[in-house]
Amino acid sequence: DSGVTQTPKHLITATGQRVTLRCSPRSGDLSVYWYQQSLDQGLQFLIQYYNGEERAKGNILERFSAQQFPDLHSELNLSSLELGDSALYFCASSVDLGGGLGDTQYFGPGTRLTVL
Amino acid sequence: GENVEQHPSTLSVQEGDSAVIKCTYSDSASNYFPWYKQELGKGPQLIIDIRSNVGEKKDQRIAVTLNKTAKHFSLHITETQPEDSAVYFCAAAATEYGNKLVFGAGTILRVKS
Repeated sequence: DSGVTQTPKHLITATGQRVTLRCSPRSGDLSVYWYQQSLDQGLQFLIQYYNGEERAKGNILERFSAQQFPDLHSELNLSSLELGDSALYFCASSVDLGGGLGDTQYFGPGTRLTVL
Repeated sequence: GENVEQHPSTLSVQEGDSAVIKCTYSDSASNYFPWYKQELGKGPQLIIDIRSNVGEKKDQRIAVTLNKTAKHFSLHITETQPEDSAVYFCAAAATEYGNKLVFGAGTILRVKS
């Protein structure tokens, strides 16, 4: 158990709908990262938040948005869903030590999104 | 941007043998290289990581080596056991870009008993 929690575990919805995925980081971790895992694209970085502020952005679609709240939990919002958005969505967290030599990221169990 | 290539895509070994997975990266700014193990239905689990200020790191049966000049790093698992069977991912991050991980495509490791 990494200490990162994600809800829900599974989500089934229809095209055009909007969903919200939730992540609670490990105690003490200030950074939250979102990744998407699909068969064709592999594991891809979407976005990072640090202490409530957006820090880095990957190939995140404009239909997707995220935020990190004062209690450090994060939500990933996916709207106007398409069939191709079906994937596993992982949240990771890290303490973010600074120092410029990389920060260990711990992954949650993921949310499996199925768009029908 | 960074590109990480991982080989082989599948690897079958006999229990007790060693397994080696290799990755290359393209961005010389990358300075953090973790390895993750993912079992079916679970999230990636960190098994070992290495930073650019060291060339090798070992943790029991697992070791990682880094060659910054050649831009490649490798995972070595010795005395493999059936429970080592999983998908293994390498990743690279350039911390000046905010620590985002760029992953390889993964290696399916099967340990036959």
